[in-house]
Amino acid sequence: QKEVEQNSGPLSVPEGAIASLNCTYSDRVSQSFFWYRQYSGKSPELIMSIYSNGDKEDGRFTAQLNKASQYVSLLIRDSQPSDSATYLCAVNMKTSYDKVIFGPGTSLSVIP
Amino acid sequence: DTAVSQTPKYLVTQMGNDKSIKCEQNLGHDTMYWYKQDSKKFLKIMFSYNNKELIINETVPNRFSPKSPDKAHLNLHINSLELGDSAVYFCASSHGELTEAFFGQGTRLTVV
Repeated sequence: QKEVEQNSGPLSVPEGAIASLNCTYSDRVSQSFFWYRQYSGKSPELIMSIYSNGDKEDGRFTAQLNKASQYVSLLIRDSQPSDSATYLCAVNMKTSYDKVIFGPGTSLSVIP
Repeated sequence: DTAVSQTPKYLVTQMGNDKSIKCEQNLGHDTMYWYKQDSKKFLKIMFSYNNKELIINETVPNRFSPKSPDKAHLNLHINSLELGDSAVYFCASSHGELTEAFFGQGTRLTVV
């Protein structure tokens, strides 16, 4: 199993709909989870971090974490065309040292 | 003020050359990183540097060497450049190794 997995997409949703992005990870002891957004040709920018089981809301974004299932998701409510980007899930892994591993990203397209 | 800045933004060079990319952060962070994003957009960590401790990703060729003159700077030096080194290189910084990382704008390296 790859360390951090995401559906590559593209995921297409109509404007105003809810976009749901999923991520699974392999390390049972991971403690830190991040969602980044990356526009084409730009650098990744942090959207949300989550450290505890449950939901965390910030504006139109909600991150959901289920450590037992090793699953983290990002919901985007009232999706806008400006949300069209690649969304990267990142998870800390502890091997011989701590490191944050990025998933391959999910491409989201919001259709006006 | 740019939080994490790297120079140059674009770098085109011939095979066999040696080149450096500079990175500076003004966030007061104690950990800095270099990431490589290849043509498939997969973001892979190369190095992390924390309190003068360098953590090397074992898959990184020893032609790549990070150099940190102080806590706010982490430069990347690459010897004997190869075609396969062509990618976008991102510098990032964070408080510790398990918290949110903030990225520079990237350096697009093209080896011809």
